[in-house]
Amino acid sequence: EVQLVESGGGLVQPGGSLRLSCAASGFTVSSNYMSWVRQAPGKGLEWVSVIYSGGSTYYADSVKGRFTISRHNSKNTLYLQMNSLRAEDTAVYYCARDSLLLQAFDIWGQGTMVTVSS
Amino acid sequence: EIVLTQSPGTLSLSPGERATLSCRASQSVSSSYLAWYQQKPGQAPRLLIYGASSRATGIPDRFSGSGSGTDFTLTISRLEPEDFAVYYCQQYGSSPRTYTFGQGTKLEIK
Repeated sequence: EVQLVESGGGLVQPGGSLRLSCAASGFTVSSNYMSWVRQAPGKGLEWVSVIYSGGSTYYADSVKGRFTISRHNSKNTLYLQMNSLRAEDTAVYYCARDSLLLQAFDIWGQGTMVTVSS
Repeated sequence: EIVLTQSPGTLSLSPGERATLSCRASQSVSSSYLAWYQQKPGQAPRLLIYGASSRATGIPDRFSGSGSGTDFTLTISRLEPEDFAVYYCQQYGSSPRTYTFGQGTKLEIK
């Protein structure tokens, strides 16, 4: 079965760090473009970061310099290292496969909640 | 940066009625790069439509997408109870890929 399962969310103080994980099954993370998309409580969807199959990485301006996307090929897992967290980073974080065939996010994880608060 | 504006913000309809949701781009968008997603409370988004008009796997044929340039439409021909949700349009920009979502349309039961 093709699926993504996120983990690593939780409560963190402003200025703190957290690493999210997204374990994939049924397909190979390193052969695909993979993104993180977040959704603040009661708000819409916001793209955060992407890692290309070739390894290039890109970020939304709102997280550039603070977040790092990476992957572990043998674990077939995507990561998002989040540093210098702010209250406005509070959101559900989804990992998603960016299908080049469909030109759309065709597989989504269930999401993991990150709360930044003192 | 392309901005996607969805309208209406909220649409109140009854089961069996036809729903028409709009997504307008601030500049022309390639139809190949326009997608629609459905999100129900507490769930992840689900891909409905890609390439502006192609249904994703398993999506009922009551869902259809159309449009080109700056104006795109998602139509649900006859609303089923499970269709009441929030709908987002999304587009890709040019290299490097940029990703923009509309603000969403909430489809609620009247």
